[in-house]
Amino acid sequence: EAQVTQNPRYLITVTGKKLTVTCSQNMNHEYMSWYRQDPGLGLRQIYYSMNVEVTDKGDVPEGYKVSRKEKRNFPLILESPSPNQTSLYFCASLERGEQFFGPGTRLTVL
Amino acid sequence: DAKTTQPPSMDCAEGRAANLPCNHSTISGNEYVYWYRQIHSQGPQYIIHGLKNNETNEMASLIITEDRKSSTLILPHATLRDTAVYYCIVRVGSSNTGKLIFGQGTTLQVKP
Repeated sequence: EAQVTQNPRYLITVTGKKLTVTCSQNMNHEYMSWYRQDPGLGLRQIYYSMNVEVTDKGDVPEGYKVSRKEKRNFPLILESPSPNQTSLYFCASLERGEQFFGPGTRLTVL
Repeated sequence: DAKTTQPPSMDCAEGRAANLPCNHSTISGNEYVYWYRQIHSQGPQYIIHGLKNNETNEMASLIITEDRKSSTLILPHATLRDTAVYYCIVRVGSSNTGKLIFGQGTTLQVKP
């Protein structure tokens, strides 16, 4: 089954403790991206990657890092999480204009 | 990418057609109309997209006006599981950035 998977689905952590949210897709898509969703602000793009080793900033990249060492994986890294990064995060991959979204990761930073 | 305007909420009776409107008066000639929906904090789900012709798939139909300034998503027989936020998005179809600009969407409530 074609899908985008994310782990973990839920995470509660404390300020400053580094964390990684993994994202994997099995559709051989070149383009992948990360969004965050906050009440009243909709979904906003954090980072995107057009292919292996090619990444670029989206609209709200501050406080985040990404890497793309393999086509299928696109992890999101928070080196020093802060409470304002409490949000619902979605990974997505793209093919011919259609985006496939993962199930989401709900992150709470205390 | 052009901006879209959607009503914040709509109700629909179960089994009836749900018609969700979208205005995109500043759409450019190479921009497509995409529809996604999001069910209760799940990942957004692609529904359908079109350029200027009407489109239909197993989920829905998309009617685009001749001047392309507005469109309507039609769910022919709405079920309770269609209750969701529906997003109308306009973007260049061949855009390499892939970024989707989500507005506030329309919250569709399907009622028994």
